[in-house]
Amino acid sequence: SQQGEEDPQALSIQEGENATMNCSYKTSINNLQWYRQNSGRGLVHLILIRSNEREKHSGRLRVTLDTSKKSSSLLITASRAADTASYFCATDTNAGKSTFGDGTTLTVKP
Amino acid sequence: NAGVTQTPKFQVLKTGQSMTLQCAQDMNHEYMSWYRQDPGMGLRLIHYSVGAGITDQGEVPNGYNVSRSTTEDFPLRLLSAAPSQTSVYFCASSKIQGRGDGYTFGSGTRLTVV
Repeated sequence: SQQGEEDPQALSIQEGENATMNCSYKTSINNLQWYRQNSGRGLVHLILIRSNEREKHSGRLRVTLDTSKKSSSLLITASRAADTASYFCATDTNAGKSTFGDGTTLTVKP
Repeated sequence: NAGVTQTPKFQVLKTGQSMTLQCAQDMNHEYMSWYRQDPGMGLRLIHYSVGAGITDQGEVPNGYNVSRSTTEDFPLRLLSAAPSQTSVYFCASSKIQGRGDGYTFGSGTRLTVV
């Protein structure tokens, strides 16, 4: 079964609004990463947060990690139409494997 | 730098045929992996390699073989194609897995088995 599970499966917002998506995982991790995938394309790495970090920022992105709840959230502020994509979380464990969730599909309406 | 290069971009196979999906990276990354992505779903790990000469199985390895004779190349072989292997295949690499490096993905190979 998938290590990471994103919630919600789909999210539709207006341009300028904030978008929040969540990721839950099952086992202890070394780090958690978020990726974006535009339709028909490969995944692009957005941000990585280590297991000993609680919050990280990169431009309009804010990621939080709660290891006690085994969950992470990705916040995109002031969204743009160009942010329309699928967003995936991925977890790295000591076992050497990286597993991905099923993703959140974000639609930003102009 | 070309990054991660996958070939071919599209392929149609008949059931029972075999083929090799190519993946090459020019970033001197130690870690390479293969994923498949079915419609509307996330990526499932097929096989991975932490360095030349070392490979291991992921979540869905059945029907696939890999080898890692060089740091740069990590080909994925389909032994006897089945319709259930119709999917988009992504190759990814990172400098050292689990040490805080994000993955660089190839653009994918869209495979259809008829």
